[in-house]
Amino acid sequence: GAGVSQSPSNKVTEKGKDVELRCDPISGHTALYWYRQSLGQGLEFLIYFQGNSAPDKSGLPSDRFSAERTGGSVSTLTIQRTQQEDSAVYLCASSFRQNSYEQYFGPGTRLTVT
Amino acid sequence: KQEVTQIPAALSVPEGENLVLNCSFTDSAIYNLQWFRQDPGKGLTSLLLIQSSQREQTSGRLNASLDKSSGRSTLYIAASQPGDSATYLCAVRPDAGKSTFGDGTTLTVKP
Repeated sequence: GAGVSQSPSNKVTEKGKDVELRCDPISGHTALYWYRQSLGQGLEFLIYFQGNSAPDKSGLPSDRFSAERTGGSVSTLTIQRTQQEDSAVYLCASSFRQNSYEQYFGPGTRLTVT
Repeated sequence: KQEVTQIPAALSVPEGENLVLNCSFTDSAIYNLQWFRQDPGKGLTSLLLIQSSQREQTSGRLNASLDKSSGRSTLYIAASQPGDSATYLCAVRPDAGKSTFGDGTTLTVKP
């Protein structure tokens, strides 16, 4: 079946602009995660959605970052007033209970802020 | 706060060699541990997932073990091939939520 998809694959934006990154999880997966991978650094957790529960936003680095998940499926990560330090690869993953919440990752969106 | 360490950071071996990658974590109260590989410029591919109640999992030439009490996991790769060259990441989590990742081991298998 189809895996996790993310769009766009690459995004170049000017400092101060807002950007939206999209994640389409695997159909039927109730859990969705966003991570960030900066150059030369490890994966950093951003936010986690599980069904209709309140999301775990503990990893969002500032109030410029927000995310929503509509209808328990597609998720959008929004970064307002982008800064150069926001440049990174943004990765999305999904999982479900019946598979022990094994995480399946999308290909990522490479964000470059100029 | 959970911390995950992977040693070595980089490893280069000749084709055909068996090898072991190490992952250690500081908090043994984990839900599961997952091993991934990441190819340059790509996302993460799941290799093996070990539940906290399990000791090991196998898939083809890969075998992952878990010793929760000592905070350690190993990924054993048998008969390595050039196609195994990638960065290998381990991730632990306390529940179904967020994972804490190690920084990875970059493996190069030379023909």
